[in-house]
Amino acid sequence: DQQVKQNSPSLSVQEGRISILNCDYTNSMFDYFLWYKKYPAEGPTFLISISSIKDKNEDGRFTVFLNKSAKHLSLHIVPSQPGDSAVYFCAASARGFYGGSQGNLIFGKGTKLSVKP
Amino acid sequence: DAGITQSPRYKITETGRQVTLMCHQTWSHSYMFWYRQDLGHGLRLIYYSAAADITDKGEVPDGYVVSRSKTENFPLTLESATRSQTSVYFCASTLSGSTEAFFGQGTRLTVV
Repeated sequence: DQQVKQNSPSLSVQEGRISILNCDYTNSMFDYFLWYKKYPAEGPTFLISISSIKDKNEDGRFTVFLNKSAKHLSLHIVPSQPGDSAVYFCAASARGFYGGSQGNLIFGKGTKLSVKP
Repeated sequence: DAGITQSPRYKITETGRQVTLMCHQTWSHSYMFWYRQDLGHGLRLIYYSAAADITDKGEVPDGYVVSRSKTENFPLTLESATRSQTSVYFCASTLSGSTEAFFGQGTRLTVV
């Protein structure tokens, strides 16, 4: 059973507009969430993260929102640029009381974002 | 070069052959991971290691073997390759106390 779900395989947005990528999770033990960006023939690169004690984290054009009661997070990209075209993966971790890596990240299937000029 | 590197980048092998994918990192990160990426599945964890000589299974470990005799290296071996192991394999590492994993460029493995 998928613990991290990205239900939209693809998203197309006009340059300059907002891109909103969604992610749902089922495991209430997850306490840390990350977004990764992946270009073809490259490894994923870390984009932004959020701890479960927060509901928003912002880094430049990228903002992640977390709704714990709904077990839902979203990544907002404003304004979207053609260079943002990539596959975006949502990932979750159950870091536990002591923090740090508990061994692995659980990834969603990814959403392919296309930003059209 | 600093960072995390995987070799080879591309590999074609025959069913039943043993193949080893290499992963090397220069940051002295304690945690290292192997993921596979398949269409319709995203990234799935195969094995991970918390430190040298400590390894543990992930979500899809069957058919794979790992070792970690040195902190910087984490090879992944397919003991008898099958077509279902055709995939893109990513190695990653994190510092202890961090959750942001750094990924290698990937190895595209084709089993014929």
